[in-house]
Formats: sequence, structure tokens, C-alpha cells
Amino acid sequence: GAGVSQSPSNKVTEKGKDVELRCDPISGHTALYWYRQRLGQGLEFLIYFQGNSAPDKSGLPSDRFSAERTGESVSTLTIQRTQQEDSAVYLCASSLRGLSSYEQYFGPGTRLTVT
Amino acid sequence: AQRVTQPEKLLSVFKGAPVELKCNYSYSGSPELFWYVQYSRQRLQLLLRHISRESIKGFTADLNKGETSFHLKKPFAQEEDSAMYYCALNWGGKLIFGQGTELSVKP
Repeated sequence: GAGVSQSPSNKVTEKGKDVELRCDPISGHTALYWYRQRLGQGLEFLIYFQGNSAPDKSGLPSDRFSAERTGESVSTLTIQRTQQEDSAVYLCASSLRGLSSYEQYFGPGTRLTVT
Repeated sequence: AQRVTQPEKLLSVFKGAPVELKCNYSYSGSPELFWYVQYSRQRLQLLLRHISRESIKGFTADLNKGETSFHLKKPFAQEEDSAMYYCALNWGGKLIFGQGTELSVKP
């Protein structure tokens, strides 16, 4: 079946603009995660959804970052007033259940470049 | 604080040589650890998890609670093993990743 998909694959934006990144999880997966990977670094956790609620938003770096999820489906990560330090690959993952050792399946990522 | 450390950014070995990718963690509790791999132009995928005690593509990893380590090993490296390898700790469902080790297997 289809894996996790993300769009756009690449996004170049000017500093100060807002961007919206989209994630389509695997059908039936209740848990959805957003991670960020800056150049040469590991993945940083941003936010976790169980269904459409977000019990853990501890990784969001500032109030410019927000995310929402529709039911157990699509999620969007919004970054307002983008800054150059927001440049990174944003990865989405989904798993059958959250808070457990279920495998997380990753999408291909969105590469965001803020100029 | 929970942390995963991979001390080597790059590990280069020759085909057929043994390989060990190091991973150390800090966690006060019973850890749940994983190795993820990203091959060139592919997405990040699970390689193995410690609770399964399995061997995948010839790789194994043993949890050593005394040394707080979860090193990934393979006795004979192959060129197709060249990739980025990430060690990760499950903390409340989210994964805490190390910074990754790039493994390069030369012919």
C-alpha cells in the first residue's frame, strides 16, 4: 500500500513569509509525528498527534510553529514569519499506535529553504 | 535528560571488514532502542529494534544497560551497507535520535 507522503518535496521561501507543509499518513495509523532535520544534524522531535489531538507539542521551537490534524488523516505544519534558521528537512512519520514501540514509517520529507 | 549519542560522524571500512557503529544513551528507566537507516535517495526506515533481538541484513545490536550502549555490529560489511545510520530512543512514543553515523564501505 501507499506509504507516508509529504508535499511539497521542496519549498523555497523568503524570510518573513508563512509556509504550510502537508503530511498524508498511512491509512489506519492513529499516531503522527513531525520531526526536523537541520543540515548535518540528527532528527529533532517537533510534535506528536494521537488522532486529531496533540498530547505532546514539546518540540515546537517557538510560537511561530503550529500544526493541526484532521481526524486520523492529513496533518499540516505551519511556520509563520519564517526565519533562515527554519531551513531544514521536515519529516513526517506515522505509526499504528502512539506511546508504544510500534514502528514509525517516515515520509520522504519536505526540504525548506528560507532565503 | 534523555539523550542519544553517536560519537562517529563518519565510519569508513573496506568490504568484508567488521563494522561497529556506536550508540550510547542516557535514560533513567528501561530503554526502548532502535536503529534506523537511510540509504541514498531513500526515506528513513527501521533497521532493527532491541526488543525483537533480531538480525536484519546481517546486523545485530545488543543492549548493554551497564554501559548504556546499543552498538550496531556486522561481521562482514558489504558495499550496499553504505548509508546513514541513526540510533533512536523511544521516549513516550516520540523518538530521540542521535546525530547519525555515515557508513562508507569501500570495495
